[in-house]
Amino acid sequence: DADVTQTPRNRITKTGKRIMLECSQTKGHDRMYWYRQDPGLGLRLIYYSFDVKDINKGEISDGYSVSRQAQAKFSLSLESAIPNQTALYFCATSYSGRATGELFFGEGSRLTVL
Amino acid sequence: KQEVTQIPAALSVPEGENLVLNCSFTDSAIYNLQWFRQDPGKGLTSLLLIQSSQREQTSGRLNASLDKSSGRSTLYIAASQPGDSATYLCAVLIYNQGGKLIFGQGTELSVKP
Repeated sequence: DADVTQTPRNRITKTGKRIMLECSQTKGHDRMYWYRQDPGLGLRLIYYSFDVKDINKGEISDGYSVSRQAQAKFSLSLESAIPNQTALYFCATSYSGRATGELFFGEGSRLTVL
Repeated sequence: KQEVTQIPAALSVPEGENLVLNCSFTDSAIYNLQWFRQDPGKGLTSLLLIQSSQREQTSGRLNASLDKSSGRSTLYIAASQPGDSATYLCAVLIYNQGGKLIFGQGTELSVKP
């Protein structure tokens, strides 16, 4: 089983719909991140959380919100989806107690907004 | 603002060749640099991580180097194989910005049999 699990893996929706992408991890890590990937643009950070009560905006947080329900769960919501939010979304985790700062990624959630 | 650039955007080589992928970053104040591999439609797999105090890391046929002063890293792949075909991403960890990972756009590698 994957250590970082994202659901759903694929989702097609219509403009204006509310969408939630979920991420859960069994690695015991305290830090979690949401990135989106667009062709030719690499990965860009949307939100990150260093602990259950900690939420921070990344470089492209407009149009998104997150919830850290527990240390192992971090959800990304699009309140009213728009076509330019069509992208591949990745959740990642890291452990603050590990000096390397290494990040571990989920398999990705492909979202298409029509 | 830290920017990460990868050149070339795409590379095609015959099987067996040694090759180098390049990554450059604008701010030398980094905590570490990581190289990832991404297969089509898949997630990211960590290949090598170089701490800011290190000069290089090796894993099998892969060798990554880091020169903070010039803002450059290279990923060397020896004796390339068709199974190496994938997109390779480099990313720098900016510790003083809360541990955010800044990615380059990636190099798409194709190794022809």
